[in-house]
Amino acid sequence: GAGVSQTPSNKVTEKGKYVELRCDPISGHTALYWYRQSLGQGPEFLIYFQGTGAADDSGLPNDRFFAVRPEGSVSTLKIQRTERGDSAVYLCASSSYTDTQYFGPGTRLTVL
Amino acid sequence: TQLLEQSPQFLSIQEGENLTVYCNSSSVFSSLQWYRQEPGEGPVLLVTVVTGGEVKKLKRLTFQFGDARKDSSLHITAAQPGDTGLYLCAGVSLGWGKLQFGAGTQVVVTP
Repeated sequence: GAGVSQTPSNKVTEKGKYVELRCDPISGHTALYWYRQSLGQGPEFLIYFQGTGAADDSGLPNDRFFAVRPEGSVSTLKIQRTERGDSAVYLCASSSYTDTQYFGPGTRLTVL
Repeated sequence: TQLLEQSPQFLSIQEGENLTVYCNSSSVFSSLQWYRQEPGEGPVLLVTVVTGGEVKKLKRLTFQFGDARKDSSLHITAAQPGDTGLYLCAGVSLGWGKLQFGAGTQVVVTP
């Protein structure tokens, strides 16, 4: 497929556990974004990569959240010591430089 | 906290009726985008408005950007059930990649 893909589509974990969420951007897109969408809200920016480096990580809520993009393509969002308040849909988007962002279907994270 | 305020939060109408959704901000953005999101999917871009006072039409959808580039509206004429979805506005600041979204307006069009 040519779109942004995210895995897993659903993740249920227990409070305190570690989780990794994966994003495969559209081939050739240099920019990659992570957003979080809570129930009844619009997406909230977390972090933006241009190539391999994080150009803006001002949206990460605290140091339990970390994201990498080691080869400038696939990205992984990592959440340590998960809390119930981390439950949300995590959306990934990619774009060619800062052009139109194309979103994936998201990963629904539930922390019990 | 959402910097962009959308109203109403929810709108339920009959097929064939018209509707308008509003997006207001105290901040000025270099451009503003409208998205539609369906359950289990990511937002899909509908339009980008850049110039103050700009009006764009996309079939039965009309988008306006306020003169001061702080507010926008989306008008749908003769709504159809396929228009059902969550409509989101997002502000784009020049030089920044991130989008700042409103909370969205859930539109339900019944046959």
